[in-house]
Amino acid sequence: EIVLTQSPGTLSLSPGERATLSCRASQSVRSSFLAWYQQKPGQAPRLLIYDASSRATGIPDRFSGSGSGTDFTLTVSRLEPEDFAVYYCQQYTSSPWTFGQGTKVEIK
Amino acid sequence: EVQLVESGGGLVKPGGSLRLSCAASGFTFSDAWMTWVRQAPGKGLEWVGRIKTKTNSGTTDYAAPVKGRFTISRDDSKNTLYLEMNSLKTEDTAMYYCTAALGYWGQGTLVTVSS
Repeated sequence: EIVLTQSPGTLSLSPGERATLSCRASQSVRSSFLAWYQQKPGQAPRLLIYDASSRATGIPDRFSGSGSGTDFTLTVSRLEPEDFAVYYCQQYTSSPWTFGQGTKVEIK
Repeated sequence: EVQLVESGGGLVKPGGSLRLSCAASGFTFSDAWMTWVRQAPGKGLEWVGRIKTKTNSGTTDYAAPVKGRFTISRDDSKNTLYLEMNSLKTEDTAMYYCTAALGYWGQGTLVTVSS
């Protein structure tokens, strides 16, 4: 099973700042089959990025994904008020598909 | 518009059973790999399992904590996904989401396992 470790656990930033979230895999994620999701309280998760770097439909270009192998990054170039939420990475290269434990981006 | 609507959640005693359904619309259900994901109260996301399309043999895979107790199935004629849950434990208490093709999620149905 591929274990995904996200860091940091919590990121305290101000609107307008840049957010950099990390997702590290215990073994290589082949074909970069890695996704990022955003979840707000009381809502289902929303897909932001798939295949490590492709933005999902309707996702603003301030969200970007990068990485390969075992190290992946989600970057939010300038935080908007609606971006404060919990973010999860997920690998879908091998079963069981697994999620990271999440990074909370909170308002400083 | 893609819609996934889960139903069937509720309160059940430990050791009991429950069947969740997920009604899909707005896309070609028979062409989609479908998954179930759960989230315990205040916790992170946990992948439960997946069913491939009939053209991929309808193969299922499960997470270790549910393997042997949960069964995923699909009825392409009804555009419906199912999750049969047996021998339920208190740690199965969670919101259960069905998802399609990574990007489509239902709003979830709450399962509470308690005596």
